[in-house]
Amino acid sequence: SQQGEEDPQALSIQEGENATMNCSYKTSINNLQWYRQNSGRGLVHLILIRSNEREKHSGRLRVTLDTSKKSSSLLITASRAADTASYFCATAFSQTGANSKLTFGKGITLSVRP
Amino acid sequence: DTEVTQTPKHLVMGMTNKKSLKCEQHMGHRAMYWYKQKAKKPPELMFVYSYEKLSINESVPSRFSPECPNSSLLNLHLHALQPEDSALYLCASSQALIALLYEQYFGPGTRLTVT
Repeated sequence: SQQGEEDPQALSIQEGENATMNCSYKTSINNLQWYRQNSGRGLVHLILIRSNEREKHSGRLRVTLDTSKKSSSLLITASRAADTASYFCATAFSQTGANSKLTFGKGITLSVRP
Repeated sequence: DTEVTQTPKHLVMGMTNKKSLKCEQHMGHRAMYWYKQKAKKPPELMFVYSYEKLSINESVPSRFSPECPNSSLLNLHLHALQPEDSALYLCASSQALIALLYEQYFGPGTRLTVT
C-alpha cells in the first residue's frame, strides 16, 4: 500500500506556536497533497506538491517533500485556534493516468489552545 | 464558483429503503468521486467517474450504485444498506483524472445513518 502515515497522530499546541506534521509513504508518487478537515465536514485542499518539487509555500503553510526519504512535512506558522482540525496527507500515483487515485493517510488531529 | 454541493446533509434510512445522494459542481471538472468516511478514519475511495464514465470501482458492494447523468452531477443510489454502512459520504471533483495532477474539491458530505 502506498498509504501515507502521518506523525504525530495528535498534536496540541498554544496559539501562536508553530505546528509541524510529518507524512511518510511507501511507493513512488506523482504528487503529494495536504488536506484539512474540520469536525464532520468536507475536506479542504491546502497544498499540492509535485514529485519534482522540494518545497512550497502558501500563506502560513510550508510543505516540504523528500522523495529519497519518501516523506513530507507540513508546517503551520503562528497557529490560530481556527487551525484546529484534522490534517491528512494524500499521495497520488499513476504510470499511465488510467486508474489514478488519491490515497489518504490516517490523519493528524491538531488542537490549538487559545 | 469553486463549490461542490451535496444533498441531503443528513439522511436516516431503514435497511429496506431506497434513497439517493446527490452531488453537483459547476467548475467544469471532468472527474468526480465518491468517498466513504467513518468517524476518526481517513476517506476511503468508492467510485471515480472520468468524463461521465465509471473509471474506478473499489470493489464496492452492489447495494451502492453510482450514476453520472452529466458532467455536473453525480448520484449515489442506496438500496438495502446495512447498519455498518452508516458514515459520512463525501463527493469530490477535480479538473481531470490524468495522473491526478490536480487537487480535489470536496463537498460538505452527507451524514448517513442506517437503522
